[in-house]
Amino acid sequence: EIVMTQSPATLSVSPGEGATLSCRASQSVRSKLAWYQQKPGQAPRLLIYGASTRATGIPARFSGSGSGAEFTLTISSLQSEDFAVYYCQQYNNWPSITFGQGTRLEIK
Amino acid sequence: QVQLAESGGDVVQPGRSLRLSCAASAFTFTSYPMHWVRQAPGKGLEWVAVISDDGRDKHYADSVKGRFTISRDNSRNTLYLQMDSLRVEDTAVYYCARDVDKAAAIYYFDYWGQGTLVTVSS
Repeated sequence: EIVMTQSPATLSVSPGEGATLSCRASQSVRSKLAWYQQKPGQAPRLLIYGASTRATGIPARFSGSGSGAEFTLTISSLQSEDFAVYYCQQYNNWPSITFGQGTRLEIK
Repeated sequence: QVQLAESGGDVVQPGRSLRLSCAASAFTFTSYPMHWVRQAPGKGLEWVAVISDDGRDKHYADSVKGRFTISRDNSRNTLYLQMDSLRVEDTAVYYCARDVDKAAAIYYFDYWGQGTLVTVSS
């Protein structure tokens, strides 16, 4: 099983500032990496797939980068609605796909 | 507007069974592989199972293999998860999710339901 490790566990940022979230895979997943946002009581929402492609309707302030085993989700100029939990997910090793444990992005 | 609506969650004792349903609408259900993903209270996401668009091909997480069965009724636009021999550690919100691609599962998800809570407790 490919283990996905996200860091930090919690990130405190002020509105208007940027945030960088990291995701590391225990082995290469090529570019088969997705990012999701989840708010309390809601289902996850797809943000990024293919490591760097924004899903339909996702604002340009969200960007993804990386390949192999190291990935980054960057959110520029944080809006109030961006404070949530973010998960990365590898889909290279299907059907044994795995998620990271999540990064909680909170208001500073 | 794609919609996925899960139902069937309940409180059950260990060892008992439960069947979840997911009603799909506003898209061509018969064209998409479908998944179940779960989330234990306060925890992260865990993929559970996938079924192909025609229902012939199924795969499961090791944690549920041999106990859970995924199925679909394309005439009713409905996805199911039959859960047998339930354990305390199966307690979670269960989401149905649509695969992003038609026909061949890619294993990431563009639409999710709101989830249904399964609690396994004596």
